Amino acid sequence: EADIYQTPRYLVIGTGKKITLECSQTMGHDKMYWYQQDPGMELHLIHYSYGVNSTEKGDLSSESTVSRIRTEHFPLTLESARPSHTSQYLCASSLPSSGNTIYFGEGSWLTVV
Amino acid sequence: AQSVTQLGSHVSVSEGALVLLRCNYSSSVPPYLFWYVQYPNQGLQLLLKYTSAATLVKGINGFEAEFKKSETSFHLTKPSAHMSDAAEYFCAVSAGSGSARQLTFGSGTQLTVLP
Repeated sequence: EADIYQTPRYLVIGTGKKITLECSQTMGHDKMYWYQQDPGMELHLIHYSYGVNSTEKGDLSSESTVSRIRTEHFPLTLESARPSHTSQYLCASSLPSSGNTIYFGEGSWLTVV
Repeated sequence: AQSVTQLGSHVSVSEGALVLLRCNYSSSVPPYLFWYVQYPNQGLQLLLKYTSAATLVKGINGFEAEFKKSETSFHLTKPSAHMSDAAEYFCAVSAGSGSARQLTFGSGTQLTVLP
């Protein structure tokens, strides 16, 4: 099992604010991911990383950006939040040796008002 | 390309009854298959996975799934539902240990357990 930590769990911010969702994992997994999920809906991959200094956009276009300066850390940033960004953001990580099994954090619920 | 179809966005069963959540996949290469469970306001928790070993896979909380290549299915079952099983269940397919883009999730099935 992977230990993945996301902060904050819940956040309500005003339109135009800059926010960063933090994600850290302690298992040394090379691959990390960000998924976006609206309530009761499916997951959409918005960003992923193969390792340090590697980031790629996922299947769903997102105005957020990510960075991977350290293996264990994969923060997601919104420079100027809008109500359309209101959603749950799930961070995850995986190891190829586990069949690329993806392990998820608890999620960050973002509400932009 | 690969895809996952979960039949039934909502399934209701009585407590003690059989749980059957359906998942069909398409993949051009031998797949890895996963079931995840999501409780309200939480992330996804891995229930079980198939990675080309035994076709009948046992997971946590009494769940199991059987990989049937001929039917391209990976249905999730539990003999006797418990109230605590009420959650959203996601099936996912991966073409292997490649990039994250190769893991595809289904749209989810909300399981309700009636007393």
